[in-house]
Amino acid sequence: DAGVTQSPTHLIKTRGQQVTLRCSPKSGHDTVSWYQQALGQGPQFIFQYYEEEERQRGNFPDRFSGHQFPNYSSELNVNALLLGDSALYLCASSAMGTGERNTQYFGPGTRLTVL
Amino acid sequence: AQSVAQPEDQVNVAEGNPLTVKCTYSVSGNPYLFWYVQYPNRGLQFLLKYITGDNLVKGSYGFEAEFNKSQTSFHLKKPSALVSDSALYFCAVRRLMNYGGSQGNLIFGKGTKLSVKP
Repeated sequence: DAGVTQSPTHLIKTRGQQVTLRCSPKSGHDTVSWYQQALGQGPQFIFQYYEEEERQRGNFPDRFSGHQFPNYSSELNVNALLLGDSALYLCASSAMGTGERNTQYFGPGTRLTVL
Repeated sequence: AQSVAQPEDQVNVAEGNPLTVKCTYSVSGNPYLFWYVQYPNRGLQFLLKYITGDNLVKGSYGFEAEFNKSQTSFHLKKPSALVSDSALYFCAVRRLMNYGGSQGNLIFGKGTKLSVKP
């Protein structure tokens, strides 16, 4: 049973560019959450998707947007990149309608470096 | 406002000794509490969670955690540390919510680096 997968592993962009990160949830999961982890910090919640809709959002600007597809996979898009967007981006999946819904399982992350 | 505090940036333990990584939380209502571990250049791995019931929760790799409502704490423990336990440990809290199709997000502490020496 594959866990949560993310692509790419690493990414280098320059300021002002746009980036798309991808996530496939664990089998049987239908909810995807995205987190940003800056160096030396705990993860910060960006947003959560369920049934292809953004259900909850953290304190991140509109430059951060997302999408969930019918197969439950998800994308995180960041526009007009800033140096401060450099971080590890983590995707977590969970199951909304079962007893497992309380546990979010994380992927390995995408390391984004903005130059 | 919900928050998690991990008061120790680093915990040093000798192999074979018991270890404790501290966590306190602040949340309105009933908390869901979690511990995750992160190895270098890796994502977070789920260790254990407290939802309700027995205050002592057992998890993966011999770890356990004790929920103390009066002290709003959820300390992670292991009776005998291994060198391979060396990693970054995160405590997280989530408010019980399930409306609008949202589970609620996890709020993490800053993490505690555990170093186990042979």
